[in-house]
Amino acid sequence: SQTIHQWPATLVQPVGSPLSLECTVEGTSNPNLYWYRQAAGRGLQLLFYSVGIGQISSEVPQNLSASRPQDRQFILSSKKLLLSDSGFYLCARTGGGGYTFGSGTRLTVV
Amino acid sequence: DQQVKQNSPSLSVQEGRISILNCDYTNSMFDYFLWYKKYPAEGPTFLISISSIKDKNEDGRFTVFLNKSAKHLSLHIVPSQPGDSAVYFCAASGKNAGGTSYGKLTFGQGTILTVHP
Repeated sequence: SQTIHQWPATLVQPVGSPLSLECTVEGTSNPNLYWYRQAAGRGLQLLFYSVGIGQISSEVPQNLSASRPQDRQFILSSKKLLLSDSGFYLCARTGGGGYTFGSGTRLTVV
Repeated sequence: DQQVKQNSPSLSVQEGRISILNCDYTNSMFDYFLWYKKYPAEGPTFLISISSIKDKNEDGRFTVFLNKSAKHLSLHIVPSQPGDSAVYFCAASGKNAGGTSYGKLTFGQGTILTVHP
């Protein structure tokens, strides 16, 4: 199984509040993990990727950060959310064949 | 710089007819291309892929065509069904970016397909 668990499914947060989205994966060890965001009317944009514990690469400058404290755990965070952080956040993995996405988190910053 | 482009934001077709979704790319290092289908509030699911060594790959009602010289690929759905209504994303990958044969994916903006009964 290459299952990806993401939670929560939906989240409404006020501007300036912190954020923590968690993604955990099952299946083969040492997967490459990715955070993507789909903003309204736009395609999927790669935010971060990780090839191992503690290894994070950022693709675009932004208000968010990512961490990988364990092999199968990938966390997306923010200290202070902006309105522009609203969107649909997807965790994804490769490894064991193919690219698998989680079910996503719909974040609305108000 | 949008390296993968889907210039049609939406497409509407009649049930039973052919749906043709187009995608253009600019990075000549891309060598693997994928199509994903996404329903609202769900993650994308893999549909079909094609390697740059091929120009066509077929899987049931879905066929992907790749024209490397034009840096263009298309997804054909025949016959289209109402259940095919979704957002379709084209994605591209280059070798060994991130340590896997798939590496990082670069996505297009997506095309909303609506199939009318």
